[in-house]
Amino acid sequence: DAGVIQSPRHEVTEMGQEVTLRCKPISGHNSLFWYRQTMMRGLELLIYFNNNVPIDDSGMPEDRFSAKMPNASFSTLKIQPSEPRDSAVYFCASSLKGVNTEAFFGQGTRLTVV
Amino acid sequence: GNSVTQMEGPVTLSEEAFLTINCTYTATGYPSLFWYVQYPGEGLQLLLKATKADDKGSNKGFEATYRKETTSFHLEKGSVQVSDSAVYFCALSDPGGSEKLVFGKGTKLTVNP
Repeated sequence: DAGVIQSPRHEVTEMGQEVTLRCKPISGHNSLFWYRQTMMRGLELLIYFNNNVPIDDSGMPEDRFSAKMPNASFSTLKIQPSEPRDSAVYFCASSLKGVNTEAFFGQGTRLTVV
Repeated sequence: GNSVTQMEGPVTLSEEAFLTINCTYTATGYPSLFWYVQYPGEGLQLLLKATKADDKGSNKGFEATYRKETTSFHLEKGSVQVSDSAVYFCALSDPGGSEKLVFGKGTKLTVNP
């Protein structure tokens, strides 16, 4: 398996523009997570899905952020409109639901909003 | 709520030195504990884990023991290598049984030859 695949790897956009980050989880995994990593706040869980259903979105910073998982092999994280403070590395991770199972991370998308 | 506190970095060591990175946690119930490693430009990879008190996780020469009495999961390695240079994250899983992971802020390790 190719692992968790995220695209794009790097994104530079202007403030106010819409940004869409994409994730393909590992085949067979039924849980998917979106994390944001910054120097100031470390790794923060934004939202997670189980069987394509959002279970906990309490980490989503505000209404400008939205996430979808239309099927088991694809998820998006959208920011509209983007702001400079959204600049961060965004990670997607997947796992197979069960107690104590390992989460597998993608390589991340580095987002810069100018 | 659940939280993880790990020692602030950066940590700089010479090759073959002994490594300890401290990690303590706060949780209701009995979480599983993990160490993840992040190499430059990469995502996080699981290094080791322990699922119950007194368990020892080990991998690639790294070890950590789940200590319930001190709520700790310190990472150790007897002899580090240059290739161990990375950022190390301590994490716990939600004791409620979901897969949510709560991470510490990470400790950057640099090993010099």
